[in-house]
Amino acid sequence: SQTIHQWPATLVQPVGSPLSLECTVEGTSNPNLYWYRQAAGRGLQLLFYSVGIGQISSEVPQNLSASRPQDRQFILSSKKLLLSDSGFYLCAWTRTLSPLHFGNGTRLTVT
Amino acid sequence: AQSVTQLDSHVSVSEGTPVLLRCNYSSSYSPSLFWYVQHPNKGLQLLLKYTSAATLVKGINGFEAEFKKSETSFHLTKPSAHMSDAAEYFCVVRGYNQGGKLIFGQGTELSVKP
Repeated sequence: SQTIHQWPATLVQPVGSPLSLECTVEGTSNPNLYWYRQAAGRGLQLLFYSVGIGQISSEVPQNLSASRPQDRQFILSSKKLLLSDSGFYLCAWTRTLSPLHFGNGTRLTVT
Repeated sequence: AQSVTQLDSHVSVSEGTPVLLRCNYSSSYSPSLFWYVQHPNKGLQLLLKYTSAATLVKGINGFEAEFKKSETSFHLTKPSAHMSDAAEYFCVVRGYNQGGKLIFGQGTELSVKP
């Protein structure tokens, strides 16, 4: 069966520090991968999606970037965090016509 | 372009009473629709999905949803609410471009009173 791992679960970082969140999927190949952000009291905002290794599409201009160095690995990064980057970050995967499967999320607090 | 609108940002029910969470969609094509549930500080879990088969879709935990093309609606229902149903619920439509990305509604927070 397929599983998705996302870490860390919580993170507190100062403004201006770098960020690296990692997500890996097991039990499937060539998944579509997604990073979403959920700000307090708001819905999900799609940040990045990837349909293959090295293929990244950005949905919203921002302070973040994403990379897919391996088929089942998706990384969300920032060189310098802003206060507005605080939120709940969710990684997800899907195959064509199947539902989206989510990780357990990372709660990021930028102080 | 596809979109979803969840008509209520917050719904409050008493335990044992019915639940109705409303969702309207917009799609140029026959849509794929989903309902997800999110408990606090957790990822999203799929409740049910509609992919152009039966219009009444049964999901986990006693939830079901009915696809009504004439009303462009996909409301989520449950006959009897349980305390553990308290969570955020998202109605979702699948887009037809950009990797088949899912488009989320803004969410409905369900509260269940004892």
